[in-house]
Amino acid sequence: DQQVKQNSPSLSVQEGRISILNCDYTNSMFDYFLWYKKYPAEGPTFLISISSIKDKNEDGRFTVFLNKSAKHLSLHIVPSQPGDSAVYFCAASTQGAQKLVFGQGTRLTINP
Amino acid sequence: DAGVIQSPRHEVTEMGQEVTLRCKPISGHNSLFWYRQTMMRGLELLIYFNNNVPIDDSGMPEDRFSAKMPNASFSTLKIQPSEPRDSAVYFCASSLRAGGAGTQYFGPGTRLLVL
Repeated sequence: DQQVKQNSPSLSVQEGRISILNCDYTNSMFDYFLWYKKYPAEGPTFLISISSIKDKNEDGRFTVFLNKSAKHLSLHIVPSQPGDSAVYFCAASTQGAQKLVFGQGTRLTINP
Repeated sequence: DAGVIQSPRHEVTEMGQEVTLRCKPISGHNSLFWYRQTMMRGLELLIYFNNNVPIDDSGMPEDRFSAKMPNASFSTLKIQPSEPRDSAVYFCASSLRAGGAGTQYFGPGTRLLVL
């Protein structure tokens, strides 16, 4: 019973172009969404989040979009840089809760 | 300031052996989480503690798994007996309880291989 799904195990993007990572969720109780980034041999680190009262949140090169009706969120990275090559995890929670439900992750590779 | 510390970083053991993973959270954090990462299921929450008390252990796969937090600066995750399907990367994370879900800081993980 995978409540948070990242259907693309991997994604390859040219440096300078836009990277779009997708995530779907099934639990309509989720109202807070996060993206974590993970480098090899390191733990995940928090990247950006969005509350369900918004449909977009931007932080520098990173923007997260939320479509509540479709139960879908996406992370846009523009322009993509080689240092963005990592595994990206989508996670969901309810506001004020501590428990995070993660997706399977998408491995992003930025090609020079 | 040191982040979350996990030991060992790598563990290779044989089926049936006991495995103990250790975690030292960030000083001052009062919540601690244990996760397991596999290719098929991604990151799964196993158990979490608030102020050393287990709050939710619904993610613990079966009775072979147990976790303790005897004090604010130390936690263990034990698997006994271990099985090949337990092979995964186990992460510990800590946070301030008041900080909400987005402020979890992860350790580097323990890569476990059960032969």
